Amino acid sequence: ETGVTQTPRHLVMGMTNKKSLKCEQHLGHNAMYWYKQSAKKPLELMFVYSLEERVENNSVPSRFSPECPNSSHLFLHLHTLQPEDSALYLCASSQGGASGANVLTFGAGSRLTVL
Amino acid sequence: GQQLNQSPQSMFIQEGEDVSMNCTSSSIFNTWLWYKQEPGEGPVLLIALYKAGELTSNGRLTAQFGITRKDSFLNISASIPSDVGIYFCAGRRDNQGGKLIFGQGTELSVKP
Repeated sequence: ETGVTQTPRHLVMGMTNKKSLKCEQHLGHNAMYWYKQSAKKPLELMFVYSLEERVENNSVPSRFSPECPNSSHLFLHLHTLQPEDSALYLCASSQGGASGANVLTFGAGSRLTVL
Repeated sequence: GQQLNQSPQSMFIQEGEDVSMNCTSSSIFNTWLWYKQEPGEGPVLLIALYKAGELTSNGRLTAQFGITRKDSFLNISASIPSDVGIYFCAGRRDNQGGKLIFGQGTELSVKP
């Protein structure tokens, strides 16, 4: 595996379910990110982890809970989501830490639908 | 907050035509990036620009870092069907902790 891998690629969940999105990067990068992508809108930064510490939490509701157990893995735990949370969730990584993040490498995304 | 205004929002062109899109802001940026996102995939970096006035090419793609540092342009020459996708600009200011600000995207459709 190379690059940034996200699983699952598609997820449908009810509002009372608990699920998790997983991201793995094979690039040796030291910063990882979660973005939310909704149609016709700019990418919205949700969370940033640099050297496994959360350095940014962009006013994201607590129903989204990130976890970064090591520099290669990032999770987004989901619980009691709302239909408006339906979107494409993109994971990205970069080298040089979050402050030196000139270039992000993105995964293919996890398409989430909340019923 | 900071915003990047990317235009046009969408384009429908004939194969072989040239394409131009741009990104503007009221703020100065130190880095401009252009990404392409194909259906079902994540954004992929096309070109990175680090200096005002810089003009960089990647095959049929050419991007420029505006001299005012408040805008950037992407041109695609002689478009082909595989150019279809959404093109995003992104800007970074050095005093913003490395955070990238993304434009809304330009959706390109190419008719064979």
